[in-house]
Amino acid sequence: AQTVTQSQPEMSVQEAETVTLSCTYDTSESDYYLFWYKQPPSRQMILVIRQEAYKQQNATENRFSVNFQKAAKSFSLKISDSQLGDAAMYFCAYRRFQGAQKLVFGQGTRLTINP
Amino acid sequence: GAGVSQSPSNKVTEKGKDVELRCDPISGHTALYWYRQSLGQGLEFLIYFQGNSAPDKSGLPSDRFSAERTGGSVSTLTIQRTQQEDSAVYLCASSLVRANVLTFGAGSRLTVL
Repeated sequence: AQTVTQSQPEMSVQEAETVTLSCTYDTSESDYYLFWYKQPPSRQMILVIRQEAYKQQNATENRFSVNFQKAAKSFSLKISDSQLGDAAMYFCAYRRFQGAQKLVFGQGTRLTINP
Repeated sequence: GAGVSQSPSNKVTEKGKDVELRCDPISGHTALYWYRQSLGQGLEFLIYFQGNSAPDKSGLPSDRFSAERTGGSVSTLTIQRTQQEDSAVYLCASSLVRANVLTFGAGSRLTVL
């Protein structure tokens, strides 16, 4: 079974600075998807960024980018120019390329932005 | 509607009572998922519906938990004889058949006294 591990329960960063959230996963499959979701206090899970494992290029969405290291099974999220609105729980998630489409989530990292 | 709608937003019940949580997915989304999020924890998969296929119930923690999806749209998660450890936020999500992105609702917070 696939597992996702986020080793940082909490992180904090000064506003306008850059922060990196870590995620590792375990799978025997070669094709899959990886995601970062954000969960603010409203509880709504919001997709931040996604990566297809067959793509070597790291995904980027505005201030959010990933460092995808397939061999190391690592998928970190970098947030540049941190803003107060970025404060939330961040979850890393894995999904098989075929078959069952459920997401497997990590335990989450709580990100605090200091003004 | 434009998003995934869940009701009730909050539910407080007494131990031993049955509860029903409702999820109304995005129109046209044939895949529907239920997850449980205990306090300070990650999301635990419960059940997955895809069209007319048999649901993947592999995540249901006990036979007190069940879910149905009527007419390929609205889903109801039922918890019978609730226990205090059932207290959590129950999140529903939906997606298109071959999409790899799930859209989540705001969840139902269940508190069992």
